Amino acid sequence: DIQMTQSPSTLSASVGDRVTITCRASQSVGTWLAWYQQKPGKAPKLLIYKTSHLQSGVPSRFSGRGSGTEFTLTISSLQPDDFATYYCQRYNSFPYTFGQGTHLEIK
Amino acid sequence: EVQLMESGGGLVKPGGSLKLSCAASGFPFSAYNMNWVRQAPGKGLEWVSSISGSSNFINYADSLKGRFTISRDNAKSSLFLQMSSLRVEDTAIYYCAREDYASGTNFDYWGQGALVTVSS
Repeated sequence: DIQMTQSPSTLSASVGDRVTITCRASQSVGTWLAWYQQKPGKAPKLLIYKTSHLQSGVPSRFSGRGSGTEFTLTISSLQPDDFATYYCQRYNSFPYTFGQGTHLEIK
Repeated sequence: EVQLMESGGGLVKPGGSLKLSCAASGFPFSAYNMNWVRQAPGKGLEWVSSISGSSNFINYADSLKGRFTISRDNAKSSLFLQMSSLRVEDTAIYYCAREDYASGTNFDYWGQGALVTVSS
């Protein structure tokens, strides 16, 4: 199975910072890569699909790039509401593997 | 408004069975693939199973080894997960999620989750 590895596992940042989370696949997944945000006690929320497409209603400070085996999620200017855990997920084929998550915390 | 609501979670002994349901509303249920995703306490997300709109295509995570069965009733806009031979490590919140395969948006709507606790 294709493995998804996120880095870093934990990221400390301040409001207004620009942050980038990386997701690497053990084999190419094309552009079939999604990013989710999850807050404690809540269901995950789709942010980005097909690597770079912003889901409706998601602020434009979120962006995604990449292809093949390396992908990034960037938040251009962190807002208080952005402190959460972020997951990447491949969906080019089954199983739809998630990354292990990146916990974004306030510095 | 799209809504997904899981039910059927609870406490079950190791080796027992449990059936989860997910009631869908606000969209043409039969037109969408549906999935189950779980999250063990304090852990990350794990995809469990997927079923196509017509139930023709079904997939499972290898780790389940035939213990779980996904199904759906399009007439009732409902998704199910029959879980058997449950193990302590199956303890998790189980989410149902809609997959918009046609547009490629993947899991665009999620339920609030149902907690399954496997313990003696």
